[in-house]
Amino acid sequence: AQRVTQPEKLLSVFKGAPVELKCNYSYSGSPELFWYVQYSRQRLQLLLRHISRESIKGFTADLNKGETSFHLKKPFAQEEDSAMYYCALSTSGTYKYIFGTGTRLKVLA
Amino acid sequence: DAGVIQSPRHEVTEMGQEVTLRCKPISGHNSLFWYRQTMMRGLELLIYFNNNVPIDDSGMPEDRFSAKMPNASFSTLKIQPSEPRDSAVYFCASSTGTSGHNEQFFGPGTRLTVL
Repeated sequence: AQRVTQPEKLLSVFKGAPVELKCNYSYSGSPELFWYVQYSRQRLQLLLRHISRESIKGFTADLNKGETSFHLKKPFAQEEDSAMYYCALSTSGTYKYIFGTGTRLKVLA
Repeated sequence: DAGVIQSPRHEVTEMGQEVTLRCKPISGHNSLFWYRQTMMRGLELLIYFNNNVPIDDSGMPEDRFSAKMPNASFSTLKIQPSEPRDSAVYFCASSTGTSGHNEQFFGPGTRLTVL
């Protein structure tokens, strides 16, 4: 069965420190992977998708098919990065996402 | 465009009462999704529609939950009767295209509290 695992419910880092939010997936086909972010009092919104291979707000994520991972990274965390982050998997032939349980990132001053 | 619109934003009800949540997707989007968000389970897909037709309702927890999409601009999620364990934030999202690879746009959510 398809599954997305985010092992950390809460991740606290100090401002300026590197950040890595972990995401592992289970899917035998060709996956499409996304990171969505929910800032306080805002809507859940797309942060980035692996197919775009771009950096958004300093965040990057590389799909590693060998390790079935799609970890989200940023070299220097900022306080405004504090938010809830969800990793999502889309599988071939369907319209839907499978979301992980989310990781709350807190960036401390 | 106001984006996906949900109402009400907050709902407090007593156990046993009927609850109806409403969603207006972005105009032109042909897929609509209902999610439930809880601390323990994160975001769970309840049901999704494509071109107003329910495609997958396997995430609907039990018969107390039902969803309809009578036209392209309106959907409802109904819980009858409601129970305290239904307390959660319910999100509606919409997307365009015919692939799950398309970005989903989320509404602000409805925070449901069942006493």
